[in-house]
Amino acid sequence: SYVLTQPPSVSVAPGKTARIICGGNNIGSKSVHWYQQRPGQAPVLVIYHDRDRPSGIPERFSGSNSGNPATLTISRVEVGDEADYYCQVWDRTSDLYVFGSGTKVTVL
Amino acid sequence: QITLKESGPALVKPTQTLTLTCIVSGFSLSTNGVRVGWIRQPPGKALEWLALISWDDDKRYSPSLKTKLTITQDTSKNQVVLTVTNVDPVDTATYYCAHRPSGYDSPFDYWGPGILVTVSS
Repeated sequence: SYVLTQPPSVSVAPGKTARIICGGNNIGSKSVHWYQQRPGQAPVLVIYHDRDRPSGIPERFSGSNSGNPATLTISRVEVGDEADYYCQVWDRTSDLYVFGSGTKVTVL
Repeated sequence: QITLKESGPALVKPTQTLTLTCIVSGFSLSTNGVRVGWIRQPPGKALEWLALISWDDDKRYSPSLKTKLTITQDTSKNQVVLTVTNVDPVDTATYYCAHRPSGYDSPFDYWGPGILVTVSS
């Protein structure tokens, strides 16, 4: 089955840039979605189709997927960005849905 | 606006069957291309996709849990139901339902608040 790999944690100072990676076999051929999950809350979609932002998501959030890995970038990080972030793909070969292992972003 | 809300028991005993209901509003389950999925999250662990049902009643299941899961929908009641048979303490988790819109390879764009289910005797 398809596996997505993320680093367990990323630390970043306020105002700096955080980059969260998501690795998978031939991930560049897939459409990657990213979710933010603050403690005790449900996940929120922050990036879809590799790089598109839902309405209401700040421009500070951006995504790219030109190869392995896919990347979620958070610019000018704020304390409120502290959360777990998950990547997700649809594996069209099996018609199944896969989530990454999650990355905890800590704002120092 | 689109909303989803999960309901069900907070506590179930091992070997019992868990039944969870997702009530949706702001969209129709019978709209072409619409899907609703169930995802769970054990305490302190990652999200895990469980099952998905489509507007045309097509169903998909996680291979590792396929034998334990059944997903159904009642479009007249705007609800999606997930049953988990023969539960075990490892099934303790927060269970979420989520909306997947029409479109190729679309994400889960709206989520319910989740329901924490504990499996314990």
